[in-house]
Amino acid sequence: AQSVTQLGSHVSVSEGALVLLRCNYSSSVPPYLFWYVQYPNQGLQLLLKYTSAATLVKGINGFEAEFKKSETSFHLTKPSAHMSDAAEYFCAVSDRYNNDMRFGAGTRLTVKP
Amino acid sequence: DTGVSQDPRHKITKRGQNVTFRCDPISEHNRLYWYRQTLGQGPEFLTYFQNEAQLEKSRLLSDRFSAERPKGSFSTLEIQRTEQGDSAMYLCASSLAGQGLAGGLGTQYFGPGTRLLVL
Repeated sequence: AQSVTQLGSHVSVSEGALVLLRCNYSSSVPPYLFWYVQYPNQGLQLLLKYTSAATLVKGINGFEAEFKKSETSFHLTKPSAHMSDAAEYFCAVSDRYNNDMRFGAGTRLTVKP
Repeated sequence: DTGVSQDPRHKITKRGQNVTFRCDPISEHNRLYWYRQTLGQGPEFLTYFQNEAQLEKSRLLSDRFSAERPKGSFSTLEIQRTEQGDSAMYLCASSLAGQGLAGGLGTQYFGPGTRLLVL
């Protein structure tokens, strides 16, 4: 079975600082990897996805993630945090044929003024 | 494209009662998924449909949980004899996938969820 581990349940950064949210995956087959964001009392919104094309994936709101097979990682970054980035972020993994997408436990991002 | 909608947004019920939630997917999407999300955790996959067919239901939490998608459009998730441990957010998502399993995984778009509280 596939799984993801998100390192750090809470991350706090200052406005304008680099955002780095960590995700490591486990998969016996080529993975599809996703980052979703969830604002309070709302559903999940897709930020970006990796589907075996380019290893550096650019998403919405200035976020990007790099697939590193050797490190089994898919960390999410943003060069400069904005107050509106404060939310819960989830990493998820699936494979091409299995619709059972597995989510990590999430990382809550706080942005300080 | 009006997005995925769920109804109700909030439900409070007493232990032992049955509850039913509805999900309306994005209109052209042929796949529909149900997830449960408990506090402080990521969504947990429950079941999914392709058109009318329920292709995976082994992950439903117990036989008290059932889901239907009778005409391949909206879906309902029913929980019978609710327990306090059923309190959670129930999320629905939809996607557009190609024909057959080789069609690949379409991006899943999530609804706002139904928050259930069992007293």
